[in-house]
Amino acid sequence: EVQLLESGGDLVQPGGSLRLSCAASGFSFSTYAMSWVRQTPGKGLEWVSSITGTGTKTNFADSVRGRFTISRDNSKNTVYLEMNNLRVEDTAIYYCAKSRLSNLFHFDYWGRGTLVTVSP
Amino acid sequence: EIVLTQSPDTLSLSQGEKGILSCRASQSVPMNYLAWYQQKPGQAPRFLMFGASSRATGIPDRFSGGGSGTNFSLIISRLEPEDFATYYCQQYGSSPWTFGQGTKVEIK
Repeated sequence: EVQLLESGGDLVQPGGSLRLSCAASGFSFSTYAMSWVRQTPGKGLEWVSSITGTGTKTNFADSVRGRFTISRDNSKNTVYLEMNNLRVEDTAIYYCAKSRLSNLFHFDYWGRGTLVTVSP
Repeated sequence: EIVLTQSPDTLSLSQGEKGILSCRASQSVPMNYLAWYQQKPGQAPRFLMFGASSRATGIPDRFSGGGSGTNFSLIISRLEPEDFATYYCQQYGSSPWTFGQGTKVEIK
């Protein structure tokens, strides 16, 4: 059974930093791209960042490029999202999501999410 | 960036009725790489469809998808109680991957 478990969400002040983790199990982790998708409370979904299975290629939404970094440790079946210079508008539930195919970024499994709140 | 606009924002239907949800793209979606997700309050999105018309594993056949280019649809042939939820389309043909704003299917 595929499982994705996010952690690391917290309350942080504007300008602060946070690192989210997503522990994966139930599939061949290094084979699949992984992504982070966020959802503002009461609103829709926004893709944030993706990383290929090998970790050699990454991609970011314009809204977070230069502030967020995505990485993965295939020995630990874990993907990370390092968030710096956080803004109030980064407040959201952050979901970790698995790509259905290695190089296509649609998501067949999602974690339950972790809440990031950016507030003075 | 491909902007996806879903309509209607809210669809009020009764159990057993047919629901038709629309997703329109601001430009053609490459390879018709369009997916649909279902989300219920307090839950993560659930993967329904990919490639515009292919059902994900375990999705009942009352769900069907269609369309191409810039116009796509999700059809629920006979609404069951568990189908009342919010539905999102997503294109994965051109980065950045984008989602529609969602259509809420509510009980009439």
